[in-house]
Amino acid sequence: EPEVTQTPSHQVTQMGQEVILRCVPISNHLYFYWYRQILGQKVEFLVSFYNNEISEKSEIFDDQFSVERPDGSNFTLKIRSTKLEDSAMYFCASSEPNYGYTFGSGTRLTVV
Amino acid sequence: GESVGLHLPTLSVQEGDNSIINCAYSNSASDYFIWYKQESGKGPQFIIDIRSNMDKRQGQRVTVLLNKTVKHLSLQIAATQPGDSAVYFCAESWSDSGYSTLTFGKGTMLLVSP
Repeated sequence: EPEVTQTPSHQVTQMGQEVILRCVPISNHLYFYWYRQILGQKVEFLVSFYNNEISEKSEIFDDQFSVERPDGSNFTLKIRSTKLEDSAMYFCASSEPNYGYTFGSGTRLTVV
Repeated sequence: GESVGLHLPTLSVQEGDNSIINCAYSNSASDYFIWYKQESGKGPQFIIDIRSNMDKRQGQRVTVLLNKTVKHLSLQIAATQPGDSAVYFCAESWSDSGYSTLTFGKGTMLLVSP
């Protein structure tokens, strides 16, 4: 069964450092997403991406965040200068028209 | 108000029991609803969905009920098994087209004892 793959599974970074979270969506999917989940809380939408541009973003997705599809397979989330409150599980997802999402297993980001 | 933090509503059942997990959604304009299962350290996994023009949908061992009047969604799991132990989230969306964003509920932890 096709999977969304995320790397790394766990990333520890110092406050103020830049991090890049990587995702390989399912190959024939057209829509890509990042969601995050702070420990013990609900999953929150960050950004959606289609046709090489952001289609929607939430209030959380401020200027510190950016997304990129650098080649035909990867989809990345960059946090420019991490803050303690960025510590969370970050989930990548992809979907195709008229079908639901497939989520990856997530990257646990710990900012110290 | 909304509760935040580490406390999740928990439903504890015995193996073989039927489980019912409830969810109140927020947006009366939502047109599509999904239940997800999340096991520890993993991403949300699709269980079953329902569109707003339906009030019931059945899958294998699972049934979703939708009451649009009171904006309530429930997930029924028949003959619950230890492998069903996980956190269950409902999610709502304005479209089932595959490109709309999901708004997740708070989650319920299901604990199944043998």
